[in-house]
Amino acid sequence: GQNIDQPTEMTATEGAIVQINCTYQTSGFNGLFWYQQHAGEAPTFLSYNVLDGLEEKGRFSSFLSRSKGYSYLLLKELQMKDSASYLCAVTDSNYQLIWGAGTKLIIKP
Amino acid sequence: DAGITQSPRYKITETGRQVTLMCHQTWSHSYMFWYRQDLGHGLRLIYYSAAADITDKGEVPDGYVVSRSKTENFPLTLESATRSQTSVYFCASSEREASSYEQYFGPGTRLTVT
Repeated sequence: GQNIDQPTEMTATEGAIVQINCTYQTSGFNGLFWYQQHAGEAPTFLSYNVLDGLEEKGRFSSFLSRSKGYSYLLLKELQMKDSASYLCAVTDSNYQLIWGAGTKLIIKP
Repeated sequence: DAGITQSPRYKITETGRQVTLMCHQTWSHSYMFWYRQDLGHGLRLIYYSAAADITDKGEVPDGYVVSRSKTENFPLTLESATRSQTSVYFCASSEREASSYEQYFGPGTRLTVT
């Protein structure tokens, strides 16, 4: 079966760095997305990785290792507004998007 | 306003009733999607559409019906609502299929079936 695993919840301190991991087992791979979802709101796109390596975008970076079926989202200089759920999603061989359950990130002052 | 909208935002209905959730996008995106989001689960795809008059089942289509007569609209109908269909429903659109194109989500409809 297809599976995406993320930690359910993480806590971090304002100004610190946090890494949210995502491991996947899917039938094929055509890319990995990270979305941010604030409570009660819609998911919004953060990043897309299709090749191995690190993609940096401001305070957020996303890493992919296809051989390990592994990705992480790195958030630097955490701000209170980063409190949200972070969703990992993988496009499989049929170009269907498979979603993880999301990681709820709690930022403490 | 440009974007993707959903209506109603909140709906309470009774078991057995028919309910239609509306979705409208102004970008002329080819692809549109319906998801449900439940606690402890990822977004689950109900139906998607690649273009007007082309629809296909997703992971959890049972109990739902969709249509797409116009590119900009993609309504979702629950033919006979059940309590297990209590959920938050998100509509999304994309320029292309889910290979490398981000999806843009509507604000969601919170549906409660009593």
